[in-house]
Amino acid sequence: DAGITQSPRHKVTETGTPVTLRCHQTENHRYMYWYRQDPGHGLRLIHYSYGVKDTDKGEVSDGYSVSRSKTEDFLLTLESATSSQTSVYFCAISERALAGNTIYFGEGSWLTVV
Amino acid sequence: SQQGEEDPQALSIQEGENATMNCSYKTSINNLQWYRQNSGRGLVHLILIRSNEREKHSGRLRVTLDTSKKSSSLLITASRAADTASYFCATDAWYGGSQGNLIFGKGTKLSVKP
Repeated sequence: DAGITQSPRHKVTETGTPVTLRCHQTENHRYMYWYRQDPGHGLRLIHYSYGVKDTDKGEVSDGYSVSRSKTEDFLLTLESATSSQTSVYFCAISERALAGNTIYFGEGSWLTVV
Repeated sequence: SQQGEEDPQALSIQEGENATMNCSYKTSINNLQWYRQNSGRGLVHLILIRSNEREKHSGRLRVTLDTSKKSSSLLITASRAADTASYFCATDAWYGGSQGNLIFGKGTKLSVKP
């Protein structure tokens, strides 16, 4: 298994509260990604990072922000959680940028916004 | 928007039978990948096929790619109960700049009955 740790693994939070999910990798991979997985939508990219302090938006970035201050850590923040952000969030890493390379996934973080 | 779409959405077979899943996509690609997801877990990379390849094997897996039809198939031979999982295809995507990423389909849920 790729050395990816997501925390927390499960969280229930109230609407309007801020939430931060953490992804920690021990592989020293340059690229890191946050996806969300919802029934009927599959996996959708939220944000990604191509280096320390280098991040960019994905397909569904509204309502989310990210930060990467160290190679090994990629944080996803929901500034003010909404019920539509109830989902399973997956962190992923890859050695190189282009999509022709394998992406390795973490085990997921289950977030429920009530 | 989804790039890859798997077919069928769900497939139920007996142990020992072959399972075939299909993926169709809309735009030209450089590579196509297949991933497996066990219930409650992250995605695991199975195989990557490049646009200039027509067929690729890995153990009991056989992947074909037809770029003229914009489609790929994943064949699992002699299936086992442990193959029960969801299977996703993923194709190249670009979100501006020079960074490439993957777009995932919604998956085929395979159930292999002992």
